[in-house]
Amino acid sequence: EDQVTQSPEALRLQEGESSSLNCSYTVSGLRGLFWYRQDPGKGPEFLFTLYSAGEEKEKERLKATLTKKESFLHITAPKPEDSATYLCAVQAYPFLGSGGYQKVTFGTGTKLQVIP
Amino acid sequence: NAGVMQNPRHLVRRRGQEARLRCSPMKGHSHVYWYRQLPEEGLKFMVYLQKENIIDESGMPKERFSAEFPKEGPSILRIQQVVRGDSAAYFCASSPPGRDYGYTFGSGTRLTVV
Repeated sequence: EDQVTQSPEALRLQEGESSSLNCSYTVSGLRGLFWYRQDPGKGPEFLFTLYSAGEEKEKERLKATLTKKESFLHITAPKPEDSATYLCAVQAYPFLGSGGYQKVTFGTGTKLQVIP
Repeated sequence: NAGVMQNPRHLVRRRGQEARLRCSPMKGHSHVYWYRQLPEEGLKFMVYLQKENIIDESGMPKERFSAEFPKEGPSILRIQQVVRGDSAAYFCASSPPGRDYGYTFGSGTRLTVV
């Protein structure tokens, strides 16, 4: 079964203090790794998809990277509005007999708080 | 584009009642997914549907829970005879035809069983 472990569970940063969030995964043939942002009381908001080791994606102060065993979400000079829970998820390639589909498995998230 | 619409946003039910949660996917999306989120826990997959078909219901409890996505109208997640342990946030997501990843999520329905 696919597994996703995120660390740390919670992270408190001063505004401007850069850091990284970790997502370790176990999957039988990675089709895609996804990062989402979730604000309190809202649904997850899609950020990035990474497909293969070595790939990087950037959006404003966020950069996601991928290796064969983990992904990092780097946050450069964060601002208070970056405070949220960041979720990592994986999807394996469908295997013979799966009906051409594999479900997306989510980690429990890292709750980021950026203090002004 | 209104995005994924879920209603109601909040639902309170007494133990033993039925809960019906509705989800209208984004325009043009034909895949619908339901996830449940408990406090301090991750999103847990429940069911994946396409129009008039249940593709994967491996995450849905076999008793009391059912889901449908009719040809016309929203997808419905139905919980019969609710118990306190059903209290959670239920999220619906959708994706376009031919793509079963990179979901767009709704804002969720928060079910409280009293």
